[in-house]
Amino acid sequence: QVQLQESGPGLVKPSETLSLICSVSGDSISTYYWSWIRQTPGKGLEWIGYIYYSGSTKYKSSLKSRVAISVDTSKNQFSLTVTSVTAADTALYYCARGVTVAGAHYLDYWGQGTLVTVSS
Amino acid sequence: SYELTQPPSVSVSPGQTASITCSGDKLGDEYASWYQQRPGQSPILVIYQDKKRPSGIPERFSGSNSGNTATLTISGTQAVDEGDYYCQARDNSGYVLFGGGTKLTVL
Repeated sequence: QVQLQESGPGLVKPSETLSLICSVSGDSISTYYWSWIRQTPGKGLEWIGYIYYSGSTKYKSSLKSRVAISVDTSKNQFSLTVTSVTAADTALYYCARGVTVAGAHYLDYWGQGTLVTVSS
Repeated sequence: SYELTQPPSVSVSPGQTASITCSGDKLGDEYASWYQQRPGQSPILVIYQDKKRPSGIPERFSGSNSGNTATLTISGTQAVDEGDYYCQARDNSGYVLFGGGTKLTVL
């Protein structure tokens, strides 16, 4: 059974950098796509970006200048950094496994999510 | 930019059929997926590639996608089906998109 677990600080100061790690168990990270998604309390899902195990990435256009996703195949982990955070980055952050087949892309396994609050 | 539009809410009586739509320009040319999110829980994939069900998802969940609209249908809706439902697709540039979500209420 594939499991994903997010970890990282729950509180980040404005203008600083948010850093999260997603640990994957039950499957090798050396395949599939690996995504980060966030959800503002009471609101909908927002895709942040994904990384392919080979290292290629794609980010949501509006976040591209502040976001980076990297992968560590030796630890079976991938990570997210968001720079220059503001209160608007306060959200529940999820990591998820992405499958691409025949032109479709879907997220079949999700972590439990970790709440990040941006506040001084 | 490409957008997916869902109704904010849908209500259904127990045992009846619920239909949740997702609209986007030429969405039928892409594959749609659907996720269920119960309160306080992570999203769960319930439909992928327009109409396929992952293992463990009840047969009452089905999907279709044509033209500009993808539809999630829940037949014989049960109280346990209450929650938020999100459609998702990937545009032709490779960007992943979510609809705004639909709150399903089983009255």
